[in-house]
Amino acid sequence: GAGVSQSPSNKVTEKGKDVELRCDPISGHTALYWYRQSLGQGLEFLIYFQGNSAPDKSGLPSDRFSAERTGGSVSTLTIQRTQQEDSAVYLCASSLGAVLGTEAFFGQGTRLTVV
Amino acid sequence: DAKTTQPNSMESNEEEPVHLPCNHSTISGTDYIHWYRQLPSQGPEYVIHGLTSNVNNRMASLAIAEDRKSSTLILHRATLRDAAVYYCILRDQNNAGNMLTFGGGTRLMVKP
Repeated sequence: GAGVSQSPSNKVTEKGKDVELRCDPISGHTALYWYRQSLGQGLEFLIYFQGNSAPDKSGLPSDRFSAERTGGSVSTLTIQRTQQEDSAVYLCASSLGAVLGTEAFFGQGTRLTVV
Repeated sequence: DAKTTQPNSMESNEEEPVHLPCNHSTISGTDYIHWYRQLPSQGPEYVIHGLTSNVNNRMASLAIAEDRKSSTLILHRATLRDAAVYYCILRDQNNAGNMLTFGGGTRLMVKP
């Protein structure tokens, strides 16, 4: 079946505008993760959803960032009042569960550029 | 969370074996050792994982030290397409908040 799908693949926005990034995980995967990667840097954890449990938001850098996951499937990451430092590739991953040796599958990412 | 230490970069010649080391001296008994790699301009992809025993799959082999404080990812014949950043990650099977924590990884350069 299809892998993790992210949209849009590229987004250019003006500073101060809000953006929404979408992630369609693999069907049946209960765990969903958001990361971001600035140019030339490593992956920074943002937020994690596991089933119906409360999400782990410990990685969100500020209250301008929020995410939701509707119906245990599609997730949307929202960045309000974007700043230039928000420019990065935003990566979504999903896995069957968060235990044992489960493999996480990553999407291709959304490249966000704030001008 | 237990952390991992990897060299920043390594070089290999094409069609030669590559051994990518990872130290995880504070690993706990419930931590799985995972390896992911990130090719240029792509999201990370799973390579292999293990707990105690050595593991083999179509992509690579994972050799785990007897005390589990280190492991080595082995690419048997490096190709130019194996040039990537390789991440060694510990995942606690008992931790419900089980996100993948990526360190700096090892940038592998493969020379023709």
